[in-house]
Amino acid sequence: QVQLQESGPGVVKFSETLSLTCNVSGVSVNSQIYYWSWVRQTPVKGLEWIGYIYGGGSTRYNPSLHSRVSTSLDESKNQFFLELGSVTAADTAVYYCARSYCAGDCSFDFWGQGILVTVSS
Amino acid sequence: QSLLTQPPSVTGAPGQTVSISCIGSAGYDVHWYQQLPGRAPKLIIFGNNNRPSGVPYRFSGSRSGSSASLAITGLQVEDEADYYCHTFDPNLTSWVFGGGTKLTVL
Repeated sequence: QVQLQESGPGVVKFSETLSLTCNVSGVSVNSQIYYWSWVRQTPVKGLEWIGYIYGGGSTRYNPSLHSRVSTSLDESKNQFFLELGSVTAADTAVYYCARSYCAGDCSFDFWGQGILVTVSS
Repeated sequence: QSLLTQPPSVTGAPGQTVSISCIGSAGYDVHWYQQLPGRAPKLIIFGNNNRPSGVPYRFSGSRSGSSASLAITGLQVEDEADYYCHTFDPNLTSWVFGGGTKLTVL
């Protein structure tokens, strides 16, 4: 059974870097079939796709966040990661990791439970 | 601000049918998610009208041009949740979500 679980600090200081880990079980992150995404949710902006990393290592990011985002993966630990730099209060959100399956276009078929990250001043 | 427009809320009684619209897709497939309070979103429709394994037949989707719709028949109290549509926006070169629709089952 596919499961994803986010982990990381719940509080990040203004202007610093937010770093999150997604632990994956039931499927290899190195699979050439799936994309591994980060999505965040705020009451104001709703759901927002941040970016993905593909099993082969290629990445794609939301243009609105592109300059501050980086994703990577560790096949040996079956994890993938998010780094979001220069955070502000607007980055306070629940962050989800999710698997994207592309049967034609891509949907998010499995999600982690989410982790609340608060940016403090 | 989402470029996919959904009604903020819909209401229905148990056993009734409700429909949630999603306007603004650019010709790409539309997918739908159900988010129960305090939970992560769950995929309930992919590729406009396909149900993942385990999703009840009561949930169905359709798309015509730039508009998509999620229908829920035989409403149940446990269907009370937020529903989001999702697609790819070629202008933004990004996956985007609708603003969400809160379904209340009275």
